[in-house]
Amino acid sequence: NAGVTQTPKFQVLKTGQSMTLQCAQDMNHEYMSWYRQDPGMGLRLIHYSVGAGITDQGEVPNGYNVSRSTTEDFPLRLLSAAPSQTSVYFCASRSRTVEAFFGQGTRLTVV
Amino acid sequence: AQSVTQLDSQVPVFEEAPVELRCNYSSSVSVYLFWYVQYPNQGLQLLLKYLSGSTLVKGINGFEAEFNKSQTSFHLRKPSVHISDTAEYFCAVTSDTGRRALTFGSGTRLQVQP
Repeated sequence: NAGVTQTPKFQVLKTGQSMTLQCAQDMNHEYMSWYRQDPGMGLRLIHYSVGAGITDQGEVPNGYNVSRSTTEDFPLRLLSAAPSQTSVYFCASRSRTVEAFFGQGTRLTVV
Repeated sequence: AQSVTQLDSQVPVFEEAPVELRCNYSSSVSVYLFWYVQYPNQGLQLLLKYLSGSTLVKGINGFEAEFNKSQTSFHLRKPSVHISDTAEYFCAVTSDTGRRALTFGSGTRLQVQP
């Protein structure tokens, strides 16, 4: 039982490049979400999903896309990377009465 | 919409002293409440959770928290801290409606000094 797996752990991008952060969970959780963590701001919700085929925007969605074609996978796409997207990204999954389980995070630097 | 306010961004405390990290939330529906801990350069680890029932919940590493619905608070306490408790602590809220994703506070950095 791997829990929530995020890849990659580290990434450096040039401004304007695109990439996909991968997130997979093996707990059959309905709810998945992506957060970014910046100093002094806690974790802010980027996008979330309440089930396969259903996604919606969180507090800071600009510059990011998501899809949820299966229960297990919830990739986050950066369309055209900007320095303001330098951050640590966390994926999480949970069920109705279960706490959220987090991946180990992706440290992204945009230069 | 839900929100979480962690009233202290940093809390310095001496080893073996008690500590309280404060958390207030706002929500128009029933909530689930959580405290997570993050050690340097690591992910988030669940300390404790309130889903329903007893308002005093006990977690790992000797931490406990009390849910106070009238004051919309969920303060975290430990009677005697250790150097190893130095970390960032996050309070979070969610519910069974709407996003069902966690809303986090901005975090409290606990610095335990010898």
